Amino acid sequence: EAQVTQNPRYLITVTGKKLTVTCSQNMNHEYMSWYRQDPGLGLRQIYYSMNVEVTDKGDVPEGYKVSRKEKRNFPLILESPSPNQTSLYFCASSSGGAGEQFFGPGTRLTVL
Amino acid sequence: DAKTTQPPSMDCAEGRAANLPCNHSTISGNEYVYWYRQIHSQGPQYIIHGLKNNETNEMASLIITEDRKSSTLILPHATLRDTAVYYCIVRVGWETSYDKVIFGPGTSLSVIP
Repeated sequence: EAQVTQNPRYLITVTGKKLTVTCSQNMNHEYMSWYRQDPGLGLRQIYYSMNVEVTDKGDVPEGYKVSRKEKRNFPLILESPSPNQTSLYFCASSSGGAGEQFFGPGTRLTVL
Repeated sequence: DAKTTQPPSMDCAEGRAANLPCNHSTISGNEYVYWYRQIHSQGPQYIIHGLKNNETNEMASLIITEDRKSSTLILPHATLRDTAVYYCIVRVGWETSYDKVIFGPGTSLSVIP
């Protein structure tokens, strides 16, 4: 089944404790992206990647890192999480051209 | 800022057509119009997209004005399961190296029994 998976789905952590949210897709898509969603603000793009080893900032990249060493994986790294990074996070992927984005199920992160 | 504007909420009677408008007056020639929807806090789901011509698939129809400054998503026979937040976004095609995606707050559609 074609899908985007994220892990973990739920995470409660404390300020400053490094964490990684994994994202994997099995559709051989070139493009992958991370979004965060907060009440009243809709989805905001954090980082995106056009292909392996190619990443770029979205609208809200501060406090986040990403890497794209393999085509299928696009982990989101929070080196020193803060409470303002408490949010619902979505990973998405799409093929080249005007491809539709496939979204993962979301990761709900709480930083205390 | 989002490149699109949509009404914050709409109601539609079950079984009737739901027409969701979107304004994208600054759209560029190489930008597509995409529609997604999100039910509760699930991952957004792709509905349809188009460049210039009207499009139809099993879920919906997309009507794009001739000047491409606005579009309408049509759900022909709305059901209760269509209650969701609908997002209209514009996105450049793969031909460019710049592919930032901007979602606005969307339209919250309530289908009423």
